[in-house]
Amino acid sequence: IQLTQSPSSLSASVGDRVTITCRASQGISSYLAWYQQKPGNAPKLLIYAASTLHSGVPSRFSGSGSGTHFTLTISSLQPEDFATYYCQQFGSYPPWTFGQGTKVEIK
Amino acid sequence: EVHLVESGGGLVKPGGSLRLSCAASGFTFSTYTMNWVRQAPGKGLEWLSSISSTNSYIYYTDSVKGRFTISRDNAKNSLYLQMNSLRAEDTAVYYCARERDGGAEGDYWGQGTLVTVSS
Repeated sequence: IQLTQSPSSLSASVGDRVTITCRASQGISSYLAWYQQKPGNAPKLLIYAASTLHSGVPSRFSGSGSGTHFTLTISSLQPEDFATYYCQQFGSYPPWTFGQGTKVEIK
Repeated sequence: EVHLVESGGGLVKPGGSLRLSCAASGFTFSTYTMNWVRQAPGKGLEWLSSISSTNSYIYYTDSVKGRFTISRDNAKNSLYLQMNSLRAEDTAVYYCARERDGGAEGDYWGQGTLVTVSS
């Protein structure tokens, strides 16, 4: 199963609503997670099961979708949200597959 | 607090070997599936290997099968990755990650250790 994220990068301003899309090459039900990674840091889990917010993640982050089409939305972009975001699916093999990433930059 | 700390990275020549370690604390290590993930410079995330809590299943991505070996010592709360026959394309930051209880996502990650394969 392959995951394709779009866009690969985007420029946005503080306060903007940002949406990132992840498409799976075949249906994966809701077995999708989203991560945030800042330069020099490890990825951090944001959302699992397509729409469940991980503990401690701000409510401005939300996820939706099932099957082959998923979205990550940041309702009001904050300065600390400028980072690269990855989607990930999990299955029998390979257990983990990642999208290629979406870099969110300051406009 | 969950803590994962990788070590063992460094500079190695092509064909050489390294053993990475991941020290876990703040949770019951012996009950969690653990994973290794790497990230080449400027690139995305690549899953490498998984090991279940009691070693009942172990998986590898094709590019490291036969060269890398994942293992764990639950008594020492430690995860390992033995890397042999290293190639230039293995140059990356290597992360260990805990698999979420009841799910399959990586809910906690270490800070990573850099492996550079170069002559």
